[in-house]
Amino acid sequence: AQKITQTQPGMFVQEKEAVTLDCTYDTSDQSYGLFWYKQPSSGEMIFLIYQGSYDEQNATEGRYSLNFQKARKSANLVISASQLGDSAMYFCAMNERGSTLGRLYFGRGTQLTVWP
Amino acid sequence: SQTIHQWPATLVQPVGSPLSLECTVEGTSNPNLYWYRQAAGRGLQLLFYSVGIGQISSEVPQNLSASRPQDRQFILSSKKLLLSDSGFYLCAWRRTSGNEQFFGPGTRLTVL
Repeated sequence: AQKITQTQPGMFVQEKEAVTLDCTYDTSDQSYGLFWYKQPSSGEMIFLIYQGSYDEQNATEGRYSLNFQKARKSANLVISASQLGDSAMYFCAMNERGSTLGRLYFGRGTQLTVWP
Repeated sequence: SQTIHQWPATLVQPVGSPLSLECTVEGTSNPNLYWYRQAAGRGLQLLFYSVGIGQISSEVPQNLSASRPQDRQFILSSKKLLLSDSGFYLCAWRRTSGNEQFFGPGTRLTVL
């Protein structure tokens, strides 16, 4: 079974608007971490934000916030005030504290396009 | 600050030729190191990870191997490349006590 599911192959948003990228996960571990990475066309994976399963507050990093709903096993990324430079592939990932030394399970990604 | 380097950036190799991709990390010691492969339009697949010099674990049986001859150096190799080895190879590091993994710029490998 897929550990990370991203159901939106592509998303479009107008500049300065907010956008939500969906991510659901599957784990039986009580302790795990959720991550979002951005991959521009250059290919480099850029770390954006992290949420621990025991964190009570939703993580925020500048214009990025992670909408963590534990009961629903969802970890959606919200980008506020989109910019043209936000156009990229976005990957949701998870690690399980009980598994291989921090190995990350990745979703298939969502291609975000920001238009002027 | 920490930086991670990978080279070469791009590589075109014939089927059956050997491969050596290198990854080095600066500014930290005793990192956990990882090799991932990304096929076109797909997410990342973990290939190897290492917690220390000479300690390599493989996640997926395949045509590739990895080595860690120094604390901050991680090498991905193959004796004979297959067409299916084409892809984008990413090296990553993580602090032993940390959560986030930080990725290098990647190597785009095309096997013809």
